[in-house]
Amino acid sequence: DTEVTQTPKHLVMGMTNKKSLKCEQHMGHRAMYWYKQKAKKPPELMFVYSYEKLSINESVPSRFSPECPNSSLLNLHLHALQPEDSALYLCASSLEPGGQGAEKLFFGSGTQLSVL
Amino acid sequence: AQSVTQPDIHITVSEGASLELRCNYSYGATPYLFWYVQSPGQGLQLLLKYFSGDTLVQGIKGFEAEFKRSQSSFNLRKPSVHWSDAAEYFCAVDPNTGFQKLVFGTGTRLLVSP
Repeated sequence: DTEVTQTPKHLVMGMTNKKSLKCEQHMGHRAMYWYKQKAKKPPELMFVYSYEKLSINESVPSRFSPECPNSSLLNLHLHALQPEDSALYLCASSLEPGGQGAEKLFFGSGTQLSVL
Repeated sequence: AQSVTQPDIHITVSEGASLELRCNYSYGATPYLFWYVQSPGQGLQLLLKYFSGDTLVQGIKGFEAEFKRSQSSFNLRKPSVHWSDAAEYFCAVDPNTGFQKLVFGTGTRLLVSP
């Protein structure tokens, strides 16, 4: 299994809703990532988890709350989002969090989020 | 300032013609370098990477890239483009600071004409 699975593929939510994005991998990878990609823009790193601990938070607003319940799962909890948060949210994983052991990121297909 | 530049927003190539996508980076030391491809609404797929050693690297789908330290460039090439290569191509840099923090260029959209 060399896949990163993200659910749901599409999500529409209101600004008062609470929703969660889910990411799963069974490759034994110890680092997992959330990226945000606005339309026609490159992906931008949001969070990095290393061995189930939050290692990097790229100054992401608190309305985005990541969670890593175990080594295979990564969630992104959403609350009180704004329309400008509409984007493709990509999850990725790598064998190790840094150095040449992290040489390859495996990306999921993403969750296309629309905030109304 | 540290940056990754892809100067071409769009490129149109005839099917069967050769392709070169440009990427320049601005970092103090040689970072790890990557090329990714993304089809619409999809995740990213790694085409190839450079860490050290041979400056000409081979990737999947017939792509190759050449690292030129003197020009701070890592250009992607393919000798003969297929219609299925139409996609968005991102050059990315990992500054090698301990945690993998990919910084992506702005991307180049490849269009393939019949």
